[in-house]
Amino acid sequence: GENVEQHPSTLSVQEGDSAVIKCTYSDSASNYFPWYKQELGKGPQLIIDIRSNVGEKKDQRIAVTLNKTAKHFSLHITETQPEDSAVYFCAASNGNYGGSQGNLIFGKGTKLSVKP
Amino acid sequence: EPEVTQTPSHQVTQMGQEVILRCVPISNHLYFYWYRQILGQKVEFLVSFYNNEISEKSEIFDDQFSVERPDGSNFTLKIRSTKLEDSAMYFCASRALAEAKNIQYFGAGTRLSVL
Repeated sequence: GENVEQHPSTLSVQEGDSAVIKCTYSDSASNYFPWYKQELGKGPQLIIDIRSNVGEKKDQRIAVTLNKTAKHFSLHITETQPEDSAVYFCAASNGNYGGSQGNLIFGKGTKLSVKP
Repeated sequence: EPEVTQTPSHQVTQMGQEVILRCVPISNHLYFYWYRQILGQKVEFLVSFYNNEISEKSEIFDDQFSVERPDGSNFTLKIRSTKLEDSAMYFCASRALAEAKNIQYFGAGTRLSVL
């Protein structure tokens, strides 16, 4: 089955710097890769996602890149702010429209701390 | 914005007792999921549910676990005889049917403590 590895487990940056979190996956059938942000006491919230037919996607200060050949994908946060501090999870699934139920396989999470 | 709600936020139980964790998915969603997160570990898939039956389940989801959609709004996870190792955060998630992507929306979770 699918296995997702995520690095680093903790990341500390200064406000305004960039943060990069990397994930690798094992199942070449996976075609959907979401990133979730989890704040203390809350459930995971989707912040950005990418499908396997796209190499990069950007949403304001957040971007995700995907390398299907190498089976890795990364989250990039630019101009970090203290409110970006949270745990970030990557995930992979093979949930196709009309296809499998698409359970998500998560990485272990990265605790991001942005220092003012 | 519609959200997935879970109750209770924290459940304390004695080993061997039955617990029921409750979830109200987003109203027009048709796929439902349970995940769990043991403290300090990754979020793990337990089970998915569609059309009033289990679609997929993981190795974790053994005979002690069951799910039910007793009415049009609730989705429950029952653990028949809790063990110490069942202590974890349990998340419910849901997604719409007509989605080109597998966007799952998560609840805030129920923290289960088995003593």
